[in-house]
Amino acid sequence: QVQLVESGGGAVQPGRSLRLSCAASGFTFSSYGMHWVRQAPGKGLEWVAIIYYDGSNKYYADSVKGRFTISRDNSKDTLYLQMDSLRAEDTAVYYCARDRSLRDFDHWGRGTLVTVSS
Amino acid sequence: QSALTQPASVSGSPGQSITISCTGTSSDVGSYNLVSWYQQHPGKAPKLMIYEVGKRPSGVSNRFSGSMSGNTASLTISGLQAEDEADYYCCSYAGSATFVFGGGTKLTVL
Repeated sequence: QVQLVESGGGAVQPGRSLRLSCAASGFTFSSYGMHWVRQAPGKGLEWVAIIYYDGSNKYYADSVKGRFTISRDNSKDTLYLQMDSLRAEDTAVYYCARDRSLRDFDHWGRGTLVTVSS
Repeated sequence: QSALTQPASVSGSPGQSITISCTGTSSDVGSYNLVSWYQQHPGKAPKLMIYEVGKRPSGVSNRFSGSMSGNTASLTISGLQAEDEADYYCCSYAGSATFVFGGGTKLTVL
């Protein structure tokens, strides 16, 4: 069955960096686009970024553009999110989710918590 | 990339039907038949319940249905059950491979 497992979250000071990972299994990872979606404590979902199946295209929400970088290693079935210049408002649970041809997110991981605080 | 508008909360008694609205703009909801709905129980990951406005993934109860008119999409849950109590989020494709979510609606089963 499809499984997505995020890791790499933790507490970090404002202005610092963090890299999240999402290990995929149970499907042909290299055939699917992948997303990062986040959820601030007690708040709603916010789409963060997408990367196409082959890494050829990447798109970002305005709130993270220029600070976050999505990438993938299809040889390792792993998705990444490099987060630089972190701000307090980036504090959230970060989920990776599988894309279905730019239609929806059909499988989600359990998320990893990122806390940005001094 | 403004969030879609959903009511903060709705409620209903077991067996009743409820509808959650999701209002966007002509740049997102109104431009694409690509609205999806997600159910999220506390502390859990979201689950896809409806895709492409009104289609149900395999395994999702037929008590869940979706529709759209203009810039507003709707999720209807009929025959409410206790396990339907959760947060519900709509999401729309917004062009250029970007997506926008609604603010979420908390469903309470009385």
